[in-house]
Amino acid sequence: GEDVEQSLFLSVREGDSSVINCTYTDSSSTYLYWYKQEPGAGLQLLTYIFSNMDMKQDQRLTVLLNKKDKHLSLRIADTQTGDSAIYFCAERGRGRRALTFGSGTRLQVQP
Amino acid sequence: ETGVTQSPTHLIKTRGQQVTLRCSSQSGHNTVSWYQQALGQGPQFIFQYYREEENGRGNFPPRFSGLQFPNYSSELNVNALELDDSALYLCASSPGTGFYNEQFFGPGTRLTVL
Repeated sequence: GEDVEQSLFLSVREGDSSVINCTYTDSSSTYLYWYKQEPGAGLQLLTYIFSNMDMKQDQRLTVLLNKKDKHLSLRIADTQTGDSAIYFCAERGRGRRALTFGSGTRLQVQP
Repeated sequence: ETGVTQSPTHLIKTRGQQVTLRCSSQSGHNTVSWYQQALGQGPQFIFQYYREEENGRGNFPPRFSGLQFPNYSSELNVNALELDDSALYLCASSPGTGFYNEQFFGPGTRLTVL
């Protein structure tokens, strides 16, 4: 079945770049997503990448996809304290109803 | 445009009871998916409803059931509650079932089973 893995925790200083990594197992994954969850809140879609792309940039966010290694990363430039949250990687394959999520990476931004 | 809303925000039940959670989909969306997010975990897919019919189900027992209404709002019902059912329940609506349709999440209902 599908599986998505993420590291549990990342701590950075304000102003530095953050890189959150994710690996997935399903080679039929078509869309790969990054969601943000703040304490007590639902999920906010940050960005997504289609599987035929290698990179996508959206303001401070850069997504890199290595399809051969099934590795996805999210880079946040100039990380701010407001970026402190849990970040979830998720994937969805053609023909599948559901998103498959990783367990989330908690990003802590120190002033 | 109103986003996805869920009610109630919090709920406390005891083992063996039954619970109903509600979700109003975003305007124009005909598909609702429900997810269970246990503490410290990512969301797990429960099921999806499309035009009032169940359209896919994850690995959850039959005591998890749902409904979708003609206005595309939805309910999640859980019977015979167990302690492990304590979680944040998220609903997501989308304009269709295709894999290219973004799912918009509500804020969730936090269920505590004692």
